[in-house]
Amino acid sequence: IAGITQAPTSQILAAGRRMTLRCTQDMRHNAMYWYRQDLGLGLRLIHYSNTAGTTGKGEVPDGYSVSRANTDDFPLTLASAVPSQTSVYFCASSLAGDSTDTQYFGPGTRLTVL
Amino acid sequence: GQNIDQPTEMTATEGAIVQINCTYQTSGFNGLFWYQQHAGEAPTFLSYNVLDGLEEKGRFSSFLSRSKGYSYLLLKELQMKDSASYLCAVCDSNYQLIWGAGTKLIIKP
Repeated sequence: IAGITQAPTSQILAAGRRMTLRCTQDMRHNAMYWYRQDLGLGLRLIHYSNTAGTTGKGEVPDGYSVSRANTDDFPLTLASAVPSQTSVYFCASSLAGDSTDTQYFGPGTRLTVL
Repeated sequence: GQNIDQPTEMTATEGAIVQINCTYQTSGFNGLFWYQQHAGEAPTFLSYNVLDGLEEKGRFSSFLSRSKGYSYLLLKELQMKDSASYLCAVCDSNYQLIWGAGTKLIIKP
């Protein structure tokens, strides 16, 4: 692995289903982030983690949950998907957790909820 | 509320110069980022300004005026591969990044 990876690349999901988006980084970065990107809107922060074992809520956390059991992995779970969660999801990481540090983004997951 | 404004779309000619503006109103300021995002790809870091003035990095330069809540990204000697969206983001007083919606730059031959 080089950098930050996400899986799956894309997914079509029925409303009401549970879904976990995976994110793994091998840069030993302390901080990790989940964003959603919708047409005409800026990136919106869903959840973040400044270090392994801690997580925090971003701008749009409702309907999503995260965990940070170790440094490398930061999965995002949709407990019961709804059509408004159709979006492109980006995972990112940075060495420090204060957002003045450069964030490195994964390739994204395109999620469609029907 | 917090707000980042950028033009939605700009068009420029290959070989020319283009300036992409970003104005912001945020609760506090701890730096401004520019990222480039090609269609269907992830954003990638271009620049970070925390002090007033111009920072040059090859064909790309970024300017910041904190008193005016204003930044611009200057792209020189435009190439077709510069066709992308350019995202402005401000780090606020809570060290959260506030993102603009991005400016789609179209380069014509």
